[in-house]
Amino acid sequence: DAGVIQSPRHEVTEMGQEVTLRCKPISGHNSLFWYRQTMMRGLELLIYFNNNVPIDDSGMPEDRFSAKMPNASFSTLKIQPSEPRDSAVYFCASSQTGAAFFGQGTRLTVV
Amino acid sequence: EDQVTQSPEALRLQEGESSSLNCSYTVSGLRGLFWYRQDPGKGPEFLFTLYSAGEEKEKERLKATLTKKESFLHITAPKPEDSATYLCAVPTGEGSARQLTFGSGTQLTVLP
Repeated sequence: DAGVIQSPRHEVTEMGQEVTLRCKPISGHNSLFWYRQTMMRGLELLIYFNNNVPIDDSGMPEDRFSAKMPNASFSTLKIQPSEPRDSAVYFCASSQTGAAFFGQGTRLTVV
Repeated sequence: EDQVTQSPEALRLQEGESSSLNCSYTVSGLRGLFWYRQDPGKGPEFLFTLYSAGEEKEKERLKATLTKKESFLHITAPKPEDSATYLCAVPTGEGSARQLTFGSGTQLTVLP
């Protein structure tokens, strides 16, 4: 298996623009997670899905953030409008019943 | 509230100098404890899962142990390639759908 695949790997955008991050989980995994990592706050869970249904989105910072999982093999995290404080590395991870397996992340820079 | 605390924040070792990293947790009803390794610019890489007190897992120079309140990651005779940030995590949430809550990590540097 190719593992969790995220795109793009790097994204630089201007403040106010819409940003969409993409994730393909490992086939057969029924849970998908979006995390954000910064030096100050470490790894923070933003939202997670179980069987394509959002279970807990309490970690989503504000209404500018939204996530979807239209099917078992694809998820998106959208930020609209983006702000400089959104700059971070965003990770997608998937799991079945045990450990979560992470993608390589998307490094987002909002200028 | 579920919490995961790792110590030390940073650790510098000479090659061959063994040491241990600590992960303490407060979780109601532990359903496993996970160790990950993260290299710069990469996603966390799964290392071990521990489910019950007294359990141990080994991989090369790493050995993870678990008690009722904490876990240790023992590094025996480390090499420079063991330099990374080591993260521990516990599942939180309810039912079969659960997320991992991570500690802040220990940044390990092994000097040649």
